[in-house]
Amino acid sequence: EAGVVQSPRYKIIEKKQPVAFWCNPISGHNTLYWYLQNLGQGPELLIRYENEEAVDDSQLPKDRFSAERLKGVDSTLKIQPAELGDSAVYLCASSLVATSYNEQFFGPGTRLTVL
Amino acid sequence: GNSVTQMEGPVTLSEEAFLTINCTYTATGYPSLFWYVQYPGEGLQLLLKATKADDKGSNKGFEATYRKETTSFHLEKGSVQVSDSAVYFCALSLYGGSQGNLIFGKGTKLSVKP
Repeated sequence: EAGVVQSPRYKIIEKKQPVAFWCNPISGHNTLYWYLQNLGQGPELLIRYENEEAVDDSQLPKDRFSAERLKGVDSTLKIQPAELGDSAVYLCASSLVATSYNEQFFGPGTRLTVL
Repeated sequence: GNSVTQMEGPVTLSEEAFLTINCTYTATGYPSLFWYVQYPGEGLQLLLKATKADDKGSNKGFEATYRKETTSFHLEKGSVQVSDSAVYFCALSLYGGSQGNLIFGKGTKLSVKP
């Protein structure tokens, strides 16, 4: 069974440029998460989708970040414009349903460097 | 607020040594607790979990017991191997509105020397 797929794996851009990350969750997983992981830190939730609905986006900086999950499968996370402080690893995860005890499956992440 | 605190790394051990990585939590309500592991160049993967007090999670020789009285979930292994070298993250998940959202500690890097 294929795991969570993310692309690109690495991205280098100049500040003020836009950037987008793509995630394909495990087939049949209704819940999709985007996390931000700064160097030396644990992941922090940005947004959680249940099917195509964003049910928790309280930690998403909406002035520059946006996300979508059309048709409740793949998801895209966008930053526009990027700032130096956005350099981090962006992780996508999925689970069958959103419960407190279900395992989340993580993709390898996209490492963003903003110059 | 809800948070996870785990011991600072890096931790360097010789092969076959005993491992303990401390993890304590603060949570409103009764969380589920997890240990995730990140091997070099790979994504996070679940190592073990416990969903209620006194539960013991175990996998690959690792164990952790959910201690409500001390709000702890310490990770232990009796004899580490070089292949256990990785970053270990303690995490919690709550019931209710933020159900399913994981709150992570900062991670502890483990290096095992032959």
